[in-house]
Amino acid sequence: GENVEQHPSTLSVQEGDSAVIKCTYSDSASNYFPWYKQELGKRPQLIIDIRSNVGEKKDQRIAVTLNKTAKHFSLHITETQPEDSAVYFCAASQRGRRALTFGSGTRLQVQP
Amino acid sequence: DAGVIQSPRHEVTEMGQEVTLRCKPISGHDYLFWYRQTMMRGLELLIYFNNNVPIDDSGMPEDRFSAKMPNASFSTLKIQPSEPRDSAVYFCASSLNKRGLAGVLSTGELFFGEGSRLTVL
Repeated sequence: GENVEQHPSTLSVQEGDSAVIKCTYSDSASNYFPWYKQELGKRPQLIIDIRSNVGEKKDQRIAVTLNKTAKHFSLHITETQPEDSAVYFCAASQRGRRALTFGSGTRLQVQP
Repeated sequence: DAGVIQSPRHEVTEMGQEVTLRCKPISGHDYLFWYRQTMMRGLELLIYFNNNVPIDDSGMPEDRFSAKMPNASFSTLKIQPSEPRDSAVYFCASSLNKRGLAGVLSTGELFFGEGSRLTVL
């Protein structure tokens, strides 16, 4: 099955700095790569996703890049704010399979 | 829509007791997923259904776990007997998978419930 590895496990940045979280996946048949944000004690919620026919996608301060050849994808958050502090999960879905395999999560702390 | 609804939100029970977790997916969604979240293992897929039919239960830890989806608006996850290592937050999620321009189905966003925090003493 699919295996998703995520780094780093924790990330601390100053407000206004950029944050980058990286994930690799094992199954070349995977074609959908979402990112979820989970605030403390809350449910995971989708913040951005990318499909394998696209190399980059941007939504305001967040962007995701995908390198299919290397089987890795990254989340970029610019101009970080304290409310960006949360745990971020990457995930991958294999073609024909609707379930997501999640990475282990990155705890992002934005220092004011 | 009220979103995915799970109950109970918190459950504390003793080892050996039966636990039943409940989920009401978003109306019209055709996929339902049960995930378990722990610090050690992160978010693990337990089982998922498509149109009420179980598709993949390979993540169910052992025979003590069972899940059902008797209709499109209700699913249960049962643990019998429960053990302390089952302590975790159990999330239910639902999604609607969409057909693109080429007619190919593609994975849709997973909408998670608030979760059921289970503590087995």
